Amino acid sequence: EADIYQTPRYLVIGTGKKITLECSQTMGHDKMYWYQQDPGMELHLIHYSYGVNSTEKGDLSSESTVSRIRTEHFPLTLESARPSHTSQYLCASSESFAPGGSPLHFGNGTRLTVT
Amino acid sequence: QKEVEQDPGPLSVPEGAIVSLNCTYSNSAFQYFMWYRQYSRKGPELLMYTYSSGNKEDGRFTAQVDKSSKYISLFIRDSQPSDSATYLCLLGGADGLTFGKGTHLIIQP
Repeated sequence: EADIYQTPRYLVIGTGKKITLECSQTMGHDKMYWYQQDPGMELHLIHYSYGVNSTEKGDLSSESTVSRIRTEHFPLTLESARPSHTSQYLCASSESFAPGGSPLHFGNGTRLTVT
Repeated sequence: QKEVEQDPGPLSVPEGAIVSLNCTYSNSAFQYFMWYRQYSRKGPELLMYTYSSGNKEDGRFTAQVDKSSKYISLFIRDSQPSDSATYLCLLGGADGLTFGKGTHLIIQP
């Protein structure tokens, strides 16, 4: 079973606050990803990383930023939260450098509500 | 036309029925095919992973890939109410990974 953890599971926060969503994996995977998913809707890739000190923007434009200082840790930060950021954020990791060569393993997500 | 097409449903079937879930794709560069199950308020869970045409079976689940037709399927035998979830296909290749939109499946007791 995959070991990838996201905290917090639920977060309700006011507009303008800075937030960091945590994601950690214990599998030693090089590739990590952040997806955004609205209820009942498809997943959209917002950030990914090939390894330490590597970060790339995904297909969906996002005001969030990410960092990858350690292999196991891939936090996502919103400097100033807005109601439009309300969504579920899913973190994933995979083993291989080949883009399609290894399945993704997902955490259980952080459900963010910005009031 | 999107690269990966998947009917969002909902698909409602009685308990015990055989369920067929499908994705079609247009990019022949896709080489790896995965099926995920996602329960409400949870992350997607990997069910099946294949990289060749043909069938792969795991318990009540069978994944089928037809690269010539650019068509993949997931069959669920003896469906249970606990199979009610959203099922997503994920296709991978040299250009990266692409999800289908997901099919919402409801198994009626």
